[in-house]
Amino acid sequence: SQQGEEDPQALSIQEGENATMNCSYKTSINNLQWYRQNSGRGLVHLILIRSNEREKHSGRLRVTLDTSKKSSSLLITASRAADTASYFCATESDTGGFKTIFGAGTRLFVKA
Amino acid sequence: ETGVTQSPTHLIKTRGQQVTLRCSSQSGHNTVSWYQQALGQGPQFIFQYYREEENGRGNFPPRFSGLQFPNYSSELNVNALELDDSALYLCASSLGQLNEQFFGPGTRLTVL
Repeated sequence: SQQGEEDPQALSIQEGENATMNCSYKTSINNLQWYRQNSGRGLVHLILIRSNEREKHSGRLRVTLDTSKKSSSLLITASRAADTASYFCATESDTGGFKTIFGAGTRLFVKA
Repeated sequence: ETGVTQSPTHLIKTRGQQVTLRCSSQSGHNTVSWYQQALGQGPQFIFQYYREEENGRGNFPPRFSGLQFPNYSSELNVNALELDDSALYLCASSLGQLNEQFFGPGTRLTVL
């Protein structure tokens, strides 16, 4: 498979708790992006982090990137029922032409 | 500012037929990428067009081809459809190849 790996595959938490999802990849990258997808619909862009960045924040989202370990994490703080969705990481590189590789996703369920 | 749109929403074809899917980029975006997403999987990168030229391709056979027009809208053509081509086809636009991608709602293709 071309895909990167995400863990856990599924995560169930209570509203108000934090959710952490991890992503590992295999090759050198330019960027890594995180997306959310509700019920097989289009993906919503969350955060882009470039290879020379280590951490980015957006509202309740915090993304880290460790290029030495080829891994990234997405933290959602104070989760809400509306955060229930699948979350994907996607790496991007332009070596030998543009390529992007998505992970298989983490399915997050936030219980009210 | 209009978002990314795709047509049609749903499509049913039989094995061996050909199909054309369409995508209109978000206003101001010059780059379009296409993805195939099977049920329960992450999206798989098909190819990317930047200023009407293909500048990256995933592991898809030549029967998957595309076009980008001067207004940056795009088509995905699939010839000799196979049952395994049944999937959600997503397009995404961006300003340049290594920037935030904004996805359309997708076209659900069923091959019988």
